[in-house]
Amino acid sequence: NAGVTQTPKFQVLKTGQSMTLQCAQDMNHEYMSWYRQDPGMGLRLIHYSVGAGITDQGEVPNGYNVSRSTTEDFPLRLLSAAPSQTSVYFCASISPGANVLTFGAGSRLTVL
Amino acid sequence: AQRVTQPEKLLSVFKGAPVELKCNYSYSGSPELFWYVQYSRQRLQLLLRHISRESIKGFTADLNKGETSFHLKKPFAQEEDSAMYYCALHRGSTLGRLYFGRGTQLTVWP
Repeated sequence: NAGVTQTPKFQVLKTGQSMTLQCAQDMNHEYMSWYRQDPGMGLRLIHYSVGAGITDQGEVPNGYNVSRSTTEDFPLRLLSAAPSQTSVYFCASISPGANVLTFGAGSRLTVL
Repeated sequence: AQRVTQPEKLLSVFKGAPVELKCNYSYSGSPELFWYVQYSRQRLQLLLRHISRESIKGFTADLNKGETSFHLKKPFAQEEDSAMYYCALHRGSTLGRLYFGRGTQLTVWP
């Protein structure tokens, strides 16, 4: 049981480049979410999904796209990276019947 | 609007001293509150949740609806408690939509 797996662990982009952060979970959790962690700001919800084919915006969705074609995968896309998107990104899923998040190891993104 | 407030960005205590990490929230309904912890080079993980009413690693937290607080306490801090602590609030009916505070970095000195 791998839990929540995020790739890549580290990434450096130039302004304007696009990329996708991958997130996969093997626990058959319906709910998945993406957070960004910034110093002094805590964790802020970017997008979330309550099941395959269903996504919704969180607190800071601008500049990010998501899709949920399968229960297992929830990729986060940056279409045109900006320096303000330099952050650590966490994917998380929730087990049924609880509001307890299981987090991935994080992806550190630097946009130059 | 800040839904979860952790007023201390940094907190330092000596080993064996009591420690209290403060958390206040804004929500008029019935909240569900959590403390998450991130140890150095480890994943964020749940420490405790108020509905469990349990003590984890010697930590306890009591929900005070009158003061809208959920402070995390431990009577005798240990060096291994050094970590970043986040208070989180779930409100409403949307499963999993948690609001996190800005975090408190706890350092326990030997």
